[in-house]
Amino acid sequence: AQKITQTQPGMFVQEKEAVTLDCTYDTSDPSYGLFWYKQPSSGEMIFLIYQGSYDQQNATEGRYSLNFQKARKSANLVISASQLGDSAMYFCAMSPRPFDSSASKIIFGSGTRLSIRP
Amino acid sequence: NAGVTQTPKFQVLKTGQSMTLQCAQDMNHEYMSWYRQDPGMGLRLIHYSVGAGITDQGEVPNGYNVSRSTTEDFPLRLLSAAPSQTSVYFCASSQPRGGTYEQYFGPGTRLTVT
Repeated sequence: AQKITQTQPGMFVQEKEAVTLDCTYDTSDPSYGLFWYKQPSSGEMIFLIYQGSYDQQNATEGRYSLNFQKARKSANLVISASQLGDSAMYFCAMSPRPFDSSASKIIFGSGTRLSIRP
Repeated sequence: NAGVTQTPKFQVLKTGQSMTLQCAQDMNHEYMSWYRQDPGMGLRLIHYSVGAGITDQGEVPNGYNVSRSTTEDFPLRLLSAAPSQTSVYFCASSQPRGGTYEQYFGPGTRLTVT
């Protein structure tokens, strides 16, 4: 069975600082996918970034990067130069065997609430 | 291009009533999923589909049915509503593209069962 753990219920960060949100996972699948999502106070869910377990390089999307350490089973999200609009809940998630029929079976962590101070 | 649409946005049901939450996407995505989000928690997968005619159960399927007769539509049926099904329901669609995913969520349906 897969499991996602986010140990930081909440974080406060000063605007323009970099932020690291922690995520560890557990799975017996030989390959898997890792995801991060943002949920602002408006309630919508926004897909941010994806990392395949077989990818050699860390995924990046604009100010977001995923610090993937396979041996440690961690997939931390790094937000560079934080902005007030980054204040939101952030969820880490994973799916088994990316890009096959099970790939839409995405399991979520409990989330981290990030608050950016001006 | 509307993305993922969900209806209704809000719904109040009495215990024992049934209803269908609608979800539609216009991006020709293969994968669609239904999640529920309880207060202060992450999303839990109810059912998912990897293509028309193919569905499977997620973490919390009891009390819900789905079907996928077309690529575009993925309705979620509550068979006999219970207060424990009070939640926010999200529909999502996704498609692998170029080593990553194209993925979108609907705006959510807030359901209250009394």
